[in-house]
Amino acid sequence: EVQLVESGGGLVKPGGSLKLSCAASGFTFNNYSMNWVRQAPGKGLEWVSSISTSGRYIHYADSVKGRFAISRDNAKNSLYLQMNSLRAEDTAIYYCATNTIQPFDYWGQGTLVTVSS
Amino acid sequence: DIVMTQTPLSLSVTPGQPASISCKSSQSLLHSDGKTYLYWYLQKPGQSPQLLIYEVSNRFSGVPDRFSGSGSGTDFTLKISRVEAEDVGLYYCMQGLHLPWITFGQGTRLDIQ
Repeated sequence: EVQLVESGGGLVKPGGSLKLSCAASGFTFNNYSMNWVRQAPGKGLEWVSSISTSGRYIHYADSVKGRFAISRDNAKNSLYLQMNSLRAEDTAIYYCATNTIQPFDYWGQGTLVTVSS
Repeated sequence: DIVMTQTPLSLSVTPGQPASISCKSSQSLLHSDGKTYLYWYLQKPGQSPQLLIYEVSNRFSGVPDRFSGSGSGTDFTLKISRVEAEDVGLYYCMQGLHLPWITFGQGTRLDIQ
């Protein structure tokens, strides 16, 4: 069974930093690209970033480019999102999602990031 | 960016009755490989999204056959043949024409009358 467990969310001041983690199990992690998607309170879904199997290919939404950095550690079956220069509009639940059989086919339960002074 | 527009934004359905959600894309989702990259997700209350339908009309693993998808080009529909109480939540369409630059519709809230 595919399992994705996010962690690392919390309350941070504007301009601050936070690093999210996603622990994967139940599938061969290093065979699949991975994604981060966020959902602001009461809002819809927004793609944030994606990373290829080896980490060679990385993509970001314009809204986070230059501030967020996605990475992965295949030895630890883990996905990360380093978030810097955080803004109030980055407040959201952050989900990691796999691309195993289909794009964005399995999602974690999410971790809440709140950016507020 | 490809814009996805869903209608209606909310609907209330009596159990056992059908429901239908429309999704329109700002450009054709037909890829040069012949596939159309339109997906449907359901986010149940307090849960993360779950994949229901991929490539317009294919049910994902474990999805009940009361869910069906149809459409082509820029116009797509998700139908629930007989709504059950467990179907409440937010339904999103998503385009995957140029992965990973996906975009979602605004979401359609389904509740039970």
